[in-house]
Amino acid sequence: GAVVSQHPSRVICKSGTSVKIECRSLDFQATTMFWYRQFPKKSLMLMATSNEGSKATYEQGVEKDKFLINHASLTLSTLTVTSAHPEDSSFYICSARTGENSPLHFGNGTRLTVT
Amino acid sequence: QKEVEQDPGPLSVPEGAIVSLNCTYSNSAFQYFMWYRQYSRKGPELLMYTYSSGNKEDGRFTAQVDKSSKYISLFIRDSQPSDSATYLCAIMISSGSARQLTFGSGTQLTVLP
Repeated sequence: GAVVSQHPSRVICKSGTSVKIECRSLDFQATTMFWYRQFPKKSLMLMATSNEGSKATYEQGVEKDKFLINHASLTLSTLTVTSAHPEDSSFYICSARTGENSPLHFGNGTRLTVT
Repeated sequence: QKEVEQDPGPLSVPEGAIVSLNCTYSNSAFQYFMWYRQYSRKGPELLMYTYSSGNKEDGRFTAQVDKSSKYISLFIRDSQPSDSATYLCAIMISSGSARQLTFGSGTQLTVLP
């Protein structure tokens, strides 16, 4: 149980274009999902908290206009990287939990390369 | 001082060895303790989750928590090459927010056949 699916696993795009990443909770409902970014050989950095039916909460230093988050249903959150730039190239991972004090379950990540 | 310190790697052991991975934390409000395994280019996979001091065992894995010393460990018995991965400890304050979840920096483990 507690499976989180993330798509696509890998994407290459050109500078200036936008990329959408989907995160789905397959066997549970998640009112809250979390988006992380991970640099090579570094730990996870929380970018934002996605809230179903309301605006996302962004961490300090994360541009909300660049990283658009939509949590349209109890099982789907999307992260759109707008006007992508090579420095946005990274590994993006979503996660969700089954309950308030439950551990996070992670998707398999999306490797974004902006050329 | 970081809230969570994790022993730096990389760690290399022969197959069959017992592996000990460790983290210390500074905030006594932390109540929930997790260990994740992350293979290269994959998302972290939850291995162990506990909230009390003592040991919790699951197959070849044992999670140990010592709240008085603010120290947690993950032991892997009979290590296998397939255990080669980065291991992350994660510690959480009782809260609905992931902001209260803090990760260690990770220890890269290689089990040599």
